[in-house]
Amino acid sequence: EAQVTQNPRYLITVTGKKLTVTCSQNMNHEYMSWYRQDPGLGLRQIYYSMNVEVTDKGDVPEGYKVSRKEKRNFPLILESPSPNQTSLYFCASSPHEEGAYEQYFGPGTRLTVT
Amino acid sequence: AQSVAQPEDQVNVAEGNPLTVKCTYSVSGNPYLFWYVQYPNRGLQFLLKYITGDNLVKGSYGFEAEFNKSQTSFHLKKPSALVSDSALYFCAVRDPYGNNRLAFGKGNQVVVIP
Repeated sequence: EAQVTQNPRYLITVTGKKLTVTCSQNMNHEYMSWYRQDPGLGLRQIYYSMNVEVTDKGDVPEGYKVSRKEKRNFPLILESPSPNQTSLYFCASSPHEEGAYEQYFGPGTRLTVT
Repeated sequence: AQSVAQPEDQVNVAEGNPLTVKCTYSVSGNPYLFWYVQYPNRGLQFLLKYITGDNLVKGSYGFEAEFNKSQTSFHLKKPSALVSDSALYFCAVRDPYGNNRLAFGKGNQVVVIP
């Protein structure tokens, strides 16, 4: 089954404790992205990657890091989480073909930082 | 920068009645527009897209959307709403300059009343 998977689905942590949220897709997509969803704000892009070893900042990159060493994986790293990073996080992927721009989303990771 | 506006926080509709969820957009260049639906505790699911061609776009689950260039709108419609259509609906516009970033609206909660 074609899908985007994220782990963990739920995470409660404390301020300052480094964490990684994994994202993997099995559709051979070039493009991958991370979004955070907050009530009343919709989804905002954190980082994106056009292909392996190519990453760039989105709209709200502060406090986050990413890497793209393999085509299928795009982990999100919070080096020192803070309470304002409590949110619902989504990973997404899409092909990089003309007209095929729809993105496929993972199930989400609900992060709480206390 | 591109953006979308979803003016209503919540749309209430009786089962069997027509459903409309409004979206207006702002983008330089050709608009690539999308609708996504989010059910409780789930990721976003792609419903339909407008890239070019016919102004009336048909998508999944009986939904359609009408692209109106003069009014810069892309309203989502369904002729006869079902209780199972109750969900959060997001309109999005793609970055026209190759990032593939999606700018999302804040979302509309649709409540279909039995």
